[in-house]
Parts: sequence; C-alpha cells; structure tokens
Amino acid sequence: KAGVTQTPRYLIKTRGQQVTLSCSPISGHRSVSWYQQTPGQGLQFLFEYFSETQRNKGNFPGRFSGRQFSNSRSEMNVSTLELGDSALYLCASSSLPMNTEAFFGQGTRLTVV
Amino acid sequence: GIQVEQSPPDLILQEGANSTLRCNFSDSVNNLQWFHQNPWGQLINLFYIPSGTKQNGRLSATTVATERYSLLYISSSQTTDSGVYFCAVDNAGNMLTFGGGTRLMVKP
Repeated sequence: KAGVTQTPRYLIKTRGQQVTLSCSPISGHRSVSWYQQTPGQGLQFLFEYFSETQRNKGNFPGRFSGRQFSNSRSEMNVSTLELGDSALYLCASSSLPMNTEAFFGQGTRLTVV
Repeated sequence: GIQVEQSPPDLILQEGANSTLRCNFSDSVNNLQWFHQNPWGQLINLFYIPSGTKQNGRLSATTVATERYSLLYISSSQTTDSGVYFCAVDNAGNMLTFGGGTRLMVKP
C-alpha cells in the first residue's frame, strides 16, 4: 500500500509569488491535514479536510488556503509569498475523522528568496 | 488550545545506554502519537498510544491519560536512533498539536 505522497519535494520561489503544494493520501483515507515546520515555531497545524470539507484551521493568515478533491487528494496554496513562509510543509492522512492514527508524507521544502 | 511539553529538549547518550523521553499535555486527548523525524524531514510513526503501554522491539511507550503524560523508552540505544523525537496529541479531530521535540544524539 502506497504511503502519503507529497509533490514537489523541493521548491524555490520569489517573494510575492504564489505556490501550490499537493498531497495524495493513503488509499482509502479521507482526512488530510497540513502542517508547517520552521526552526523558530516548530510544527504547527495549518488546516484539515475530511470528505472535501475544511473542518479545522490553524492560526495562519488568509494567504494560506487549501482544498480537497473528491478523490481525497489535497492541495494547499500560499499567495503573496513572504520570506517567513520558508519552511517544511508536511501533509498527513488519516482514515477516520478522529481517534485514528495519522501518517505523514515526506514533505515539501519551500524556500522563498 | 492544548499545550504539549517534551523533556528533555536535548539528550546525548553513549551507544548501548537506555533513555526515557517525557511528554506532558494540558488537557484530555483522543489521540497521542510518538514520531521520529528522519534527517530528510519525514515523520516516522513510532506509536499510536492514547492510553496504555505498547512495545516495538527496543522501543516502548506508556501513556497515563488520567495524569496527562506519556513516556517513550529507548533501550540499548544505537547510533541510528539519533534524531528528533516528537510527541503529538489531538482532541479535536485530526488536528495534531506537537511538542517541541527531544533531540537525541547517540555516540558510538
């Protein structure tokens, strides 16, 4: 069974640009959640989708958005990139809406220059 | 929101030594997981343990939900155990809150 797949693995963008990251969950998993990891703030929750509905959102500005498709694949978008958006973005998938184990992808390392 | 604290923040061991990592959390939880982050950044699942005790080889974990803490035991440590260990909890539905991590270095 394939794991969680994130693309691309690495990305370099310029300030002011926008970026889209993709996450394909484990087959059969309907929940996808996103996290940002930076040296200063650690691992922080961005948002979670279950059956195409955003159920929870972390404390991030509106420049961070996401969506989930009917096949459970998810994308997150960051508009008007800032230097501080440079981070490792991790996606996790879970089979149930709660009380279940989360499995993480390899992450997308975004560098904003 | 829920707070998660891990201790110690850094740990240096000689190969073969045993260690205990601790995770304290501030509220009741539905989910508690331990992860090992590899050098490439991926979080590797160690345990899903909202309560009770589990063992997997040289690793074991115990969560005492009523007292809001979890412990990860590493026995006979190896250099490959080096890295950052994270505890994460959830009480709202697939919305993990992570501790600050314990950075472990095992010396040969």
